[in-house]
Parts: sequence; structure tokens; C-alpha cells
Amino acid sequence: QQPVQSPQAVILREGEDAVINCSSSKALYSVHWYRQKHGEAPVFLMILLKGGEQKGHEKISASFNEKKQQSSLYLTASQLSYSGTYFCGTEEYNFNKFYFGSGTKLNVKP
Amino acid sequence: KAGVTQTPRYLIKTRGQQVTLSCSPISGHRSVSWYQQTPGQGLQFLFEYFSETQRNKGNFPGRFSGRQFSNSRSEMNVSTLELGDSALYLCASSIRFRGTGGGYTFGSGTRLTVV
Repeated sequence: QQPVQSPQAVILREGEDAVINCSSSKALYSVHWYRQKHGEAPVFLMILLKGGEQKGHEKISASFNEKKQQSSLYLTASQLSYSGTYFCGTEEYNFNKFYFGSGTKLNVKP
Repeated sequence: KAGVTQTPRYLIKTRGQQVTLSCSPISGHRSVSWYQQTPGQGLQFLFEYFSETQRNKGNFPGRFSGRQFSNSRSEMNVSTLELGDSALYLCASSIRFRGTGGGYTFGSGTRLTVV
């Protein structure tokens, strides 16, 4: 089942922080995060496999609450290069299904 | 190392025709997935192959089919094209099935336009 992402869009100034959320109604085995810039393919950022696990990539980090089937992506001190659409992808325990969320469009302005 | 290669990059077809898209995964990657991306629908899962076997299939009509060869290269075929099939088709490969332990690496995609 497709995870729900929120918000749908975010506008930031350089240096500001943002949080993108991803939730599923199914039991999850893992959560992925990807960033897609306009006209380019999605790029893998990180995968979270365990409850409460937090991983980082530059100034971007994420957490995974296994009990709530929720993940959050944290972007701190945003840079212009962070602009793009962020997708979460969820892998379910049952049926081994993998779904992408609808995406969150992030626009970082000078 | 070489990334995921998709060919062709652009394609224009007429309604009713069929089309075959190709994807060469990263060397050593045995899992290949296909996605359709449209502005209104986001990334829609088509199917996934691992070691020449289709492991999962999304909710697309039977006009959409695929296969994987012994060298892990994959092809996707769409028959009897409809205007609504116009989209960016993305292929993604992973070192393991389901991306466990690693994420998916996407190709640049094939932009299909049906007229």
C-alpha cells in the first residue's frame, strides 16, 4: 500500500530546517529515501531497517519508528542543492511489496 | 563503475503500436525494477525481476510485460499503446532482491510519447 507523505510541498530559505514525514498502514521491513531533481532520475539517499534507527547523509538524516510505521526525513541548514522532490519508499513484510510515496517537493530559495 | 543504462532515451510512438524498452543494470545487480512516472501519479511500480524471475507485479494491465535475461538485462514491452501510456519509464537495479541492505540505483529513464 502506497505510503502517505507530508507535506506535499515545502518552501524554505537557505539555512532553514525542514521535516518530511512518511507513514504506512502496513508493517514495514524498511524505509528508503530518495531525492529527484528536475529532469533527473531519483537518487538513493538512505535506507532504514530497524525501529528507531537514525541514519545520516551530509546534513540530511532520517528516523524510522517501527511501531508506528513512520519515518521522518530531517534536512538541517538547507542548501540550494537540496531542492528537488523527495520520495520515501516502503518495503512491507508481507508480500514483499515496495511502494513509493507521492513525493514532497522542496524548494530552497536564497 | 557504469550506472544503470536505459535505451532509448526518447521515443515517439503512435497509438496502437507496441514498444520495447531496455535496461542494463549495474554489473553484479540481479534485481531490476520498472516504474512509470507521470506528473499526476508519481512513481508507479510496474514489476520487479530477480534472477530472470518476475517477483512482483504492480497494478497495470496485461499490455505491460517484461522479462529479464541471464545477464540481468531487462526489457519492458507495452503493446497496443494508448495516449495515457505517455510517461517517463524508469528502471532501477539493486544488488539484492527488494533492495535490502542497499537502495535502488535508477537509470535516466526512457521518455515515451504516444501520439
